[in-house]
Amino acid sequence: QVQLQESGPGLVKPSETLSLTCTVSSYSIRSDYYWGWIRQPPGKGLEWIGSIFHRGNTYYNPSLRTRVTISVDTSKNQFSVKLSSVTAADTAVYYCAREDSGSYQIDYWGQGTLVTVSS
Amino acid sequence: NFMLTQPHSVSESPGKTVTISCTGSSGSIASNFVQWYQQRPGSAPTTVIYEDNQRPSGVPDRFSGSIDSSSNSASLTISGLKTEDEADYYCQSYDSSNHRVFGGGTKLTVL
Repeated sequence: QVQLQESGPGLVKPSETLSLTCTVSSYSIRSDYYWGWIRQPPGKGLEWIGSIFHRGNTYYNPSLRTRVTISVDTSKNQFSVKLSSVTAADTAVYYCAREDSGSYQIDYWGQGTLVTVSS
Repeated sequence: NFMLTQPHSVSESPGKTVTISCTGSSGSIASNFVQWYQQRPGSAPTTVIYEDNQRPSGVPDRFSGSIDSSSNSASLTISGLKTEDEADYYCQSYDSSNHRVFGGGTKLTVL
């Protein structure tokens, strides 16, 4: 059973950089899947942040492109997201996920981690 | 930018059938796969339909998906409604640049 677990600070100050890591268990990140980040502000809908293939190909949400970087560490079976210049609007539950490389269906999700942007 | 529009909320009685729509803003929704996710409060979403009309194992056949090219929309239909179906439902697809897109979500109330 594929397992994904997000980790990182739960509180980030405005204007700083949010950094989260997703550790993948029981499955190789080198497989032919995309690995993505999705967020959900409290009480609101899902927003795709971006996705990465293990060879490094990345896709980013155009609305976040200038602030987001997603990277992969195959030696640790992890992938990460950095979001710079955060504001209160970036407060959300952040999910990492595995995506089918053909249909982009998300078949496995992490449990999600709440990140609050506040001074 | 490509967007997917869903009704904010729908409600129906137990045992009845409900359909949730997901309309694409441009292009042909039939050109790219559509997925549907169910999200209960406090939990991560789970897939109920993938690749337009496929059900993952474990999802009851009361859930079905379809595409209507004439209205550029996808639909999720749930028949024989149960109170446990009460949740938020999101459609998801992608644009011509492979940017993934979620619909705004539909809150299903079974009353």
